[in-house]
Amino acid sequence: QKEVEQDPGPLSVPEGAIVSLNCTYSNSAFQYFMWYRQYSRKGPELLMYTYSSGNKEDGRFTAQVDKSSKYISLFIRDSQPSDSATYLCAMSETGANSKLTFGKGITLSVRP
Amino acid sequence: DAMVIQNPRYQVTQFGKPVTLSCSQTLNHNVMYWYQQKSSQAPKLLFHYYDKDFNNEADTPDNFQSRRPNTSFCFLDIRSPGLGDAAMYLCATSRPGTDVKKTQYFGPGTRLLVL
Repeated sequence: QKEVEQDPGPLSVPEGAIVSLNCTYSNSAFQYFMWYRQYSRKGPELLMYTYSSGNKEDGRFTAQVDKSSKYISLFIRDSQPSDSATYLCAMSETGANSKLTFGKGITLSVRP
Repeated sequence: DAMVIQNPRYQVTQFGKPVTLSCSQTLNHNVMYWYQQKSSQAPKLLFHYYDKDFNNEADTPDNFQSRRPNTSFCFLDIRSPGLGDAAMYLCATSRPGTDVKKTQYFGPGTRLLVL
């Protein structure tokens, strides 16, 4: 089993839809959970950041972490064509020099 | 704006011809990373520098080397590129510590094509 599993996609939704993106993981030492957005032929950019369990909301985006189930989610409300990108989940342990472990990413397409 | 810059954005090289990719940052972060990302795959960490300390991943081929002459710059050298090395190469930086300081900031990447 890989450390981080992410639904492979691709995912296509109509504009205005609610999108749910998910990752599962096996390493119980992960404490930091991130979602990166990567547009085509560009580097990943940090979208959401969560420490430990709980929810975090930023505009149309909500990140959820359920450490008991080793499951994280990113919800996008009122999706827009500009949200079309690849979304990568990433996680790390505590420690000053901990590395990120990424999921493979899921490509989202929002149809006008 | 503080940022991570990668040059060139696109690089074409020939099979076996050494190539160097560069990364610079204005964030003054201690840590710099090099990742390899192939199509539809997760970024794969090749190595990272914590200040001047070099940390190589166990499965990074010897063909890949890195240099960090100062805080701002880091280079990726591919000594003898093979066709399988064609990929996007991503540079990232971070400032280690607790909370949000652990996040990594990525450059736009260099897409390498090997002919």
